Amino acid sequence: DQQVKQNSPSLSVQEGRISILNCDYTNSMFDYFLWYKKYPAEGPTFLISISSIKDKNEDGRFTVFLNKSAKHLSLHIVPSQPGDSAVYFCAASGTGAGSYQLTFGKGTKLSVIP
Amino acid sequence: IAGITQAPTSQILAAGRRMTLRCTQDMRHNAMYWYRQDLGLGLRLIHYSNTAGTTGKGEVPDGYSVSRANTDDFPLTLASAVPSQTSVYFCASSDGPGSSTDTQYFGPGTRLTVL
Repeated sequence: DQQVKQNSPSLSVQEGRISILNCDYTNSMFDYFLWYKKYPAEGPTFLISISSIKDKNEDGRFTVFLNKSAKHLSLHIVPSQPGDSAVYFCAASGTGAGSYQLTFGKGTKLSVIP
Repeated sequence: IAGITQAPTSQILAAGRRMTLRCTQDMRHNAMYWYRQDLGLGLRLIHYSNTAGTTGKGEVPDGYSVSRANTDDFPLTLASAVPSQTSVYFCASSDGPGSSTDTQYFGPGTRLTVL
């Protein structure tokens, strides 16, 4: 059973517009959420995170929103740039579950069109 | 500071052969992890180590073993490789466990092909 779901395998956005990547989770014990960005032939790089005590975290062009009641989080990129084209992974961990291991979604490939 | 290094970058291996993927970190992180990434399946945890001298099994541990003799190194061994182990392997490290905001940092990966 997949505990972290990214239901959109791919997303195309025009340069300058907003990119919205979505992630749903099923385990109510998750309380820390992260987004990673991955370019081809490179390892994933940490992008932004959010703790369950918050509903929003912003870092420059990147904002993550968390809706705990819906078990849903989203990553907003605005404005989108061609260099943002990559695969984005959502990940979650749960201190309450007794584990600090990350559970990853399958990823969403973002293409920003110039 | 290099962060996390992995070796080799890529390898083609005959089925049945033994192979060790190397991972070294210079951040003095307590925890280290091995993942495999397969198309359409995302990143799946193979084994982890919360601190030197301890290891644990992840989601897909079968066919793999690890050791953690010191803080910096976390080698992954395939005792007898099979074609289903063809994948890209990523090593990661973090300050954890014990932190509620633990963030993992990844190496560049090893692309392994088992024929």
